[in-house]
Amino acid sequence: AQTVTQSQPEMSVQEAETVTLSCTYDTSESNYYLFWYKQPPSRQMILVIRQEAYKQQNATENRFSVNFQKAAKSFSLKISDSQLGDTAMYFCAFINSGTYKYIFGTGTRLKVLA
Amino acid sequence: DTGVSQDPRHKITKRGQNVTFRCDPISEHNRLYWYRQTLGQGPEFLTYFQNEAQLEKSRLLSDRFSAERPKGSFSTLEIQRTEQGDSAMYLCASSLDGTGAGDTQYFGPGTRLTVL
Repeated sequence: AQTVTQSQPEMSVQEAETVTLSCTYDTSESNYYLFWYKQPPSRQMILVIRQEAYKQQNATENRFSVNFQKAAKSFSLKISDSQLGDTAMYFCAFINSGTYKYIFGTGTRLKVLA
Repeated sequence: DTGVSQDPRHKITKRGQNVTFRCDPISEHNRLYWYRQTLGQGPEFLTYFQNEAQLEKSRLLSDRFSAERPKGSFSTLEIQRTEQGDSAMYLCASSLDGTGAGDTQYFGPGTRLTVL
């Protein structure tokens, strides 16, 4: 079975500091896609960053970057210069190339402290 | 560019009643997805449409659940004879057929269902 594991239910970080959220996944496929989504309190989920498994280069989007370790099946999210608006649930998601359904982890609740 | 919209945002119903939710995807998106999210969990896939065709259904989608996308635009999700275990957030997402299964899905705000 394909699974996504987020082992940190809650984290906190001081404003302007850096935090890393971890995610591991399990699949027997070689071609797949990985995503991090952010779900602010009472607001809809928005895409933070995505990574194609065939790309060795780690994806970056402004203050957000990933550390993709394909052999270890690890996909962590680094948030630099944390801002109060980064406070949210963060979900790691995975999709195989042969299907159209995301498999989500259970999420990490991140709180940025002033 | 308007995003994915869902209606209603909140629904409270009594056990045994039927409920229907609506999702309007981003206008040019041909793929539409329904997910269910319970408290403390990530979203779980329910079903997926490409245009008007329902191509995949999760085993989570019992016989009491039915989804339609009659003209390949908006979609409805109906739950018949609701049970307390149906209480959850129902999320809709849409995507544009481009690079294949890795197309980014854009989520709506969800419909929170409470079954009393």
